[in-house]
Amino acid sequence: QKEVEQDPGPLSVPEGAIVSLNCTYSNSAFQYFMWYRQYSRKGPELLMYTYSSGNKEDGRFTAQVDKSSKYISLFIRDSQPSDSATYLCATQGGSEKLVFGKGMKLTVNP
Amino acid sequence: EAQVTQNPRYLITVTGKKLTVTCSQNMNHEYMSWYRQDPGLGLRQIYYSMNVEVTDKGDVPEGYKVSRKEKRNFPLILESPSPNQTSLYFCASSFIKGQPQHFGDGTRLSIL
Repeated sequence: QKEVEQDPGPLSVPEGAIVSLNCTYSNSAFQYFMWYRQYSRKGPELLMYTYSSGNKEDGRFTAQVDKSSKYISLFIRDSQPSDSATYLCATQGGSEKLVFGKGMKLTVNP
Repeated sequence: EAQVTQNPRYLITVTGKKLTVTCSQNMNHEYMSWYRQDPGLGLRQIYYSMNVEVTDKGDVPEGYKVSRKEKRNFPLILESPSPNQTSLYFCASSFIKGQPQHFGDGTRLSIL
């Protein structure tokens, strides 16, 4: 079983929609969880960084961790065309190295 | 401005011709790593370095070399490139292993 699983999509939504992006992870010992955003022809940039369970909000973005089901989510409210990108989840996996999901390509249509 | 700088951004070359991709960071980070990103496979770690003169293999190290002679620089060396190394490469850094990493903008390598 892979350490982090992410549906690769792609996902296409109209502007203003609420977007939900999800990942599952395998090891209940993982404590740190991240979401990265990657625009075309750019490197991944850190979007959200959370520790343990619960929610973290930053503007239109909310990161949620459910440790009981080993599920991490990123919600985007009032999505904008500028949110069109690939979103990667990541966790601090075994040996403390970062483990990434494969990324979900999101397109927000005007 | 805090950044990770990779060069070149694009390179087309031929099988067997040695090449080096440079990576430099200005954040005084101890941990640096190289990834390759391929469709359907995501980001896979090639090599990483915990500090100067300390390097170790990641998940896909075959065909690659690295060195860390200075804290800010972490070059990736392909001694004899082959077509299966055609990929998008990213250098990344963080203060310590396991912390969120800053990524460069990538190097697209095509090996014919």
